[in-house]
Amino acid sequence: KNQVEQSPQSLIILEGKNCTLQCNYTVSPFSNLRWYKQDTGRGPVSLTIMTFSENTKSNGRYTATLDADTKQSSLHITASQLSDSASYICVVSGLDNAGNMLTFGGGTRLMVKP
Amino acid sequence: EADIYQTPRYLVIGTGKKITLECSQTMGHDKMYWYQQDPGMELHLIHYSYGVNSTEKGDLSSESTVSRIRTEHFPLTLESARPSHTSQYLCASSEWGQPDTQYFGPGTRLTVL
Repeated sequence: KNQVEQSPQSLIILEGKNCTLQCNYTVSPFSNLRWYKQDTGRGPVSLTIMTFSENTKSNGRYTATLDADTKQSSLHITASQLSDSASYICVVSGLDNAGNMLTFGGGTRLMVKP
Repeated sequence: EADIYQTPRYLVIGTGKKITLECSQTMGHDKMYWYQQDPGMELHLIHYSYGVNSTEKGDLSSESTVSRIRTEHFPLTLESARPSHTSQYLCASSEWGQPDTQYFGPGTRLTVL
C-alpha cells in the first residue's frame, strides 16, 4: 500500500529559528514529490516539486531535499517568520492506470511564535 | 496565483438538507478534483474528472455526487446532508500533461447540525 508518513505531527519554534520537517514514503513507482503549504482554512499551495533525479530544490527560505534511495525527503525552513505558521504537506506522485496518483501525507503543523 | 474559486466558503445547515458546493476555474484545465479534509487530517480524494461529461470516484467513498457539464465548473452535491458530512471540501484542477501540478481552491468548510 502506498503511504506517506510525515514527522513531527506538530512543531512549535521561535521566530527566526530554523526547522526541518521530514517525509518518508513507500509510493511505487515514483514520479515526483511535492511540498505544499496550507494555511488554516485555505487550500494547499505548492512550494517545491522534485523528480527522481533531483536532490535539492530551494524556494526562498524553503529548501527541500530528496533521497530516492531511502525514500526520504525533508523541508528545511530558514529564519522562520510568523507567516510560516501553517501545515506543511508532503505529496508523492506515483503512476496508476489513469496516468497519475497522488498520495498525501498527514502534514506537519508548524507554529512560529514571536 | 491560481484562478480557482469555491463557494460558499462556510456553510452551516441542518440535517436532511440538499446542498451544492460550487467550484469554478478560469485556467481552462481539463482535470478537476474534489478532496475531503477533516481538521488536522490528510486530504482524501473523493471525486475527479478528466473533462466534460467525465466523473470518477476517488479513493475515499463519499455519498456526494458530482457533475461536469462545463469545463470550468465542477459542482459537488449532497442530496441529504448528515452530521457525518461535516468537513472541509477542497476543489483542485490541473492540466493534461501535468497531472501533478494541482491548483487548489480556498475550500468550503461544511458543518451539518
